[in-house]
Amino acid sequence: EAQVTQNPRYLITVTGKKLTVTCSQNMNHEYMSWYRQDPGLGLRQIYYSMNVEVTDKGDVPEGYKVSRKEKRNFPLILESPSPNQTSLYFCASSLSADRVKETQYFGPGTRLLVL
Amino acid sequence: QQQVKQSPQSLIVQKGGISIINCAYENTAFDYFPWYQQFPGKGPALLIAIRPDVSEKKEGRFTISFNKSAKQFSLHIMDSQPGDSATYFCAAPLRNDYKLSFGAGTTVTVRA
Repeated sequence: EAQVTQNPRYLITVTGKKLTVTCSQNMNHEYMSWYRQDPGLGLRQIYYSMNVEVTDKGDVPEGYKVSRKEKRNFPLILESPSPNQTSLYFCASSLSADRVKETQYFGPGTRLLVL
Repeated sequence: QQQVKQSPQSLIVQKGGISIINCAYENTAFDYFPWYQQFPGKGPALLIAIRPDVSEKKEGRFTISFNKSAKQFSLHIMDSQPGDSATYFCAAPLRNDYKLSFGAGTTVTVRA
């Protein structure tokens, strides 16, 4: 089954404790992206990657890091989480950068609470 | 600053009624207008999309209407069903860009 998976699905942590949210897709997609969803703000892009070793900032990159060492994986790293990073996070993928506007496939989401 | 403004934030409609969600944009470089549907506990999924060279697109009970001069596009859900209860996001990409700008979302509740 073609899908985007994220782990963990739920995470409670404390301020300053480094964490990683993993994302993996099995569709051989070139383009991957991370979003955060907050009430009243919709989906905002954090980082995106057009291919292996190619990443770039989205609209709200502060406090986040990413890496793309393999085509299928795109982990999101919070080196020193703060309460304002409490949110619902989605990973998404698309066949290529040119196809982003046509459709993106989203993972099930990771709900993060930073105390 | 959101480039796509979506309204209303939420709406409740009776089964069989019409749900209407509106989005307005300012950037005329947008060249594609998808709508995503998100059920509780799930990620968004593409529902329907329209290009600005047409004024309307219909897929089943879902219709997008597009008004280029007013810089607005709308989603109509005809004969709304309880299974349509979800959050709907409009979106738009800039021409030659590789990311989408999403609206704030509209939570639709269809009462049986």
